[in-house]
Amino acid sequence: DVKVTQSSRYLVKRTGEKVFLECVQDMDHENMFWYRQDPGLGLRLIYFSYDVKMKEKGDIPEGYSVSREKKERFSLILESASTNQTSMYLCASSPLPNTEAFFGQGTRLTVV
Amino acid sequence: GNSVTQMEGPVTLSEEAFLTINCTYTATGYPSLFWYVQYPGEGLQLLLKATKADDKGSNKGFEATYRKETTSFHLEKGSVQVSDSAVYFCALSDHVDTGRRALTFGSGTRLQVQP
Repeated sequence: DVKVTQSSRYLVKRTGEKVFLECVQDMDHENMFWYRQDPGLGLRLIYFSYDVKMKEKGDIPEGYSVSREKKERFSLILESASTNQTSMYLCASSPLPNTEAFFGQGTRLTVV
Repeated sequence: GNSVTQMEGPVTLSEEAFLTINCTYTATGYPSLFWYVQYPGEGLQLLLKATKADDKGSNKGFEATYRKETTSFHLEKGSVQVSDSAVYFCALSDHVDTGRRALTFGSGTRLQVQP
């Protein structure tokens, strides 16, 4: 089974802090994604990566950056956390573009 | 651009009732279509998929048929159980816009099944 693991289930951070969300997949997938999930809005794509050191903006990249130094690891960075970034963050991976994605368990981030 | 529209929830049913969750889409070309399920406190799991028109995806008693003429992919189950209580997401992949690589999701529909 594909396993996508996010480093934290719950995080509480203060406004202005730099926040790192980590994601690791164990199936050698080329593509990795970060989504945020908000009630009534579904999942919105923040960033994705199709290879090591390669990244592309998704639909809502503002306030976020990403890093992919190794194939199995994809990090989401909030440079200066704000309260409107309080959300559920979901990492996913897929072996090919535009195919089904495999999701981690999610990180619920609260910015106070 | 691509979009997925789902019926708003919550949908509340009694155990053994028939379930339909509507999903319609807008896409360029001929997308693949997916249903994902999210149980409380967990990430999303793929429930079923269909890759071309008239395909029927099925899993765990759930079914959905890819209807190109109505641009729909409605999820159905003949007899729901309390354990089916979850949030269900419809999604599509766009094979024309190969630069995107990611799925486009609907807003999700919460299903509550009462004993």
